Amino acid sequence: GAVVSQHPSWVICKSGTSVKIECRSLDFQATTMFWYRQFPKQSLMLMATSNEGSKATYEQGVEKDKFLINHASLTLSTLTVTSAHPEDSSFYICSAAAGNSPLHFGNGTRLTVT
Amino acid sequence: QKEVEQNSGPLSVPEGAIASLNCTYSDRGSQSFFWYRQYSGKSPELIMFIYSNGDKEDGRFTAQLNKASQYVSLLIRDSQPSDSATYLCAVKRSNTGKLIFGQGTTLQVKP
Repeated sequence: GAVVSQHPSWVICKSGTSVKIECRSLDFQATTMFWYRQFPKQSLMLMATSNEGSKATYEQGVEKDKFLINHASLTLSTLTVTSAHPEDSSFYICSAAAGNSPLHFGNGTRLTVT
Repeated sequence: QKEVEQNSGPLSVPEGAIASLNCTYSDRGSQSFFWYRQYSGKSPELIMFIYSNGDKEDGRFTAQLNKASQYVSLLIRDSQPSDSATYLCAVKRSNTGKLIFGQGTTLQVKP
């Protein structure tokens, strides 16, 4: 089945620094990957759609200059949280699908900004 | 109105009982519906998907879809304590293909 790998699984950083999260599709090519964020006891909120070879499309209210997305190949998308602040602390999850099959999720990255 | 609505629960059932989880959605054009299970601190994992009206069974799980009424449900038979988790209903938007999640229903199966 489709496997999505996400790295790192957790990260602690200081306020003002940047953090990069990687998402890889291991056994299929993903022209589109999705990035979600989940705060405690809340549901997954779609942040942006990452398109291979083109700019990401962001959901309303998500700052594109703060959450930089790069989808340089068919198997890798990265999310960089720039100038992180404590309110950016959250669980970030990427997902991808092979063709029209259902989305599969990476294991998520728990970001804590101190 | 939220795009995808679920009762947050918690829904508590005794071990061995049937757990019934419900979800309604607003986009009448949606064609694809999914149920994910999420344990605390973990990423969601796909349980079932359903595209056609009616029932779809997979082991102890049955998904039910009624497009006219815009609801989708998940039945878990012979509930086990290991089924205790948050169950997320997700609907694929008809115009963009993006997957939108409900807030999830917390299920507690008591031994």
